Amino acid sequence: DTEVTQTPKHLVMGMTNKKSLKCEQHMGHRAMYWYKQKAKKPPELMFVYSYEKLSINESVPSRFSPECPNSSLLNLHLHALQPEDSALYLCASSRGGSGGTDTQYFGPGTRLTVL
Amino acid sequence: GEDVEQSLFLSVREGDSSVINCTYTDSSSTYLYWYKQEPGAGLQLLTYIFSNMDMKQDQRLTVLLNKKDKHLSLRIADTQTGDSAIYFCAEMFSGGYNKLIFGAGTRLAVHP
Repeated sequence: DTEVTQTPKHLVMGMTNKKSLKCEQHMGHRAMYWYKQKAKKPPELMFVYSYEKLSINESVPSRFSPECPNSSLLNLHLHALQPEDSALYLCASSRGGSGGTDTQYFGPGTRLTVL
Repeated sequence: GEDVEQSLFLSVREGDSSVINCTYTDSSSTYLYWYKQEPGAGLQLLTYIFSNMDMKQDQRLTVLLNKKDKHLSLRIADTQTGDSAIYFCAEMFSGGYNKLIFGAGTRLAVHP
């Protein structure tokens, strides 16, 4: 099973709203990722969690706040977003650790629209 | 720095072979990946190749790696309409953490 699930599938929010995106995997992976993908562009890495600790923040604005409550779950808390933050948000997971391939498996994404 | 380049569009007839090309710059990359993305969906891992390999075959998919020229290709045999999608080539960043460097993606259109 190489499934990563994400909820919700679609989200529309105003610039003053607070919302959260959720991601879950049950593959025993210890690394989890958030990517942002704009239309007709490749995914761009936002955050990496390794063994439930934030290891990489790719200079993402503070209106995006990641959280990893346990090794299976990854959240992305959204607050005071801008219309240009509208995008497909993808979660991925991988085995983690060093040595060998660390293939990333992606979820179906959450399509976010900020009005 | 790291960079991955792909042609943006490929059109093929159903039943023909498709070849999607990719070049990368990081000669110390250990793994190179191909992902498929259908409209409105996430990325589906198709296959990957280790940098000490020249070729990998998986059913209708053949990956060729020319490490000297830093060139990677994905061949899809007997292309079907269901293969219409965007195909991303990606290399694993070798700078100490697991970051994928994606190409811009190649849109494959399959017509009857």
